[in-house]
Amino acid sequence: AQKVTQAQTEISVVEKEDVTLDCVYETRDTTYYLFWYKQPPSGELVFLIRRNSFDEQNEISGRYSWNFQKSTSSFNFTITASQVVDSAVYFCALFTGGGNKLTFGTGTQLKVEL
Amino acid sequence: DTEVTQTPKHLVMGMTNKKSLKCEQHMGHRAMYWYKQKAKKPPELMFVYSYEKLSINESVPSRFSPECPNSSLLNLHLHALQPEDSALYLCASSRTPGQGSYEQYFGPGTRLTVT
Repeated sequence: AQKVTQAQTEISVVEKEDVTLDCVYETRDTTYYLFWYKQPPSGELVFLIRRNSFDEQNEISGRYSWNFQKSTSSFNFTITASQVVDSAVYFCALFTGGGNKLTFGTGTQLKVEL
Repeated sequence: DTEVTQTPKHLVMGMTNKKSLKCEQHMGHRAMYWYKQKAKKPPELMFVYSYEKLSINESVPSRFSPECPNSSLLNLHLHALQPEDSALYLCASSRTPGQGSYEQYFGPGTRLTVT
């Protein structure tokens, strides 16, 4: 069975602070894919990143960076110099071929205030 | 173009009504999905279509009836819904497994209220 845990229900930061969203996953499959999605108040889930189990390289995209560590089954997401527009719910998700569907975490509500 | 469109954006229906939700994508994706999302919860998978055939039904009540007329369109027919069916209904699409990419692209959703 697959499971994704996002222990942080809600995080509040002041603009320009750095913030890290935690994601811990469980799966017995050796091949799997991890994702982060952003859901602003408008409702649409926006795809941010996909990482496969064979590639542990960290990735940086502008103010966003991701730290994938198989040893701790974690796939954490850091926003540098947060902005008000980053306010949203962020979901971490896991896909395995055996499950054939995305397993979502419960989401982290990020609030960035001026 | 990574756009998935959904209509209508909002829908209010009575428990005896019949309505349909529509979803369209033009990314050449051969897998399409319906999700239901309640407030402050993650999306819950309802149905998966792969190559226009229903491949997964997550034990969804028969008052929800999906249809995939072609590779670009996905419908969800609603009949005799209950108030607890009020939610955000999200459509998504992706390349099917084997084509090297699994990320799903979501539409903006339809906010459904059942009265």
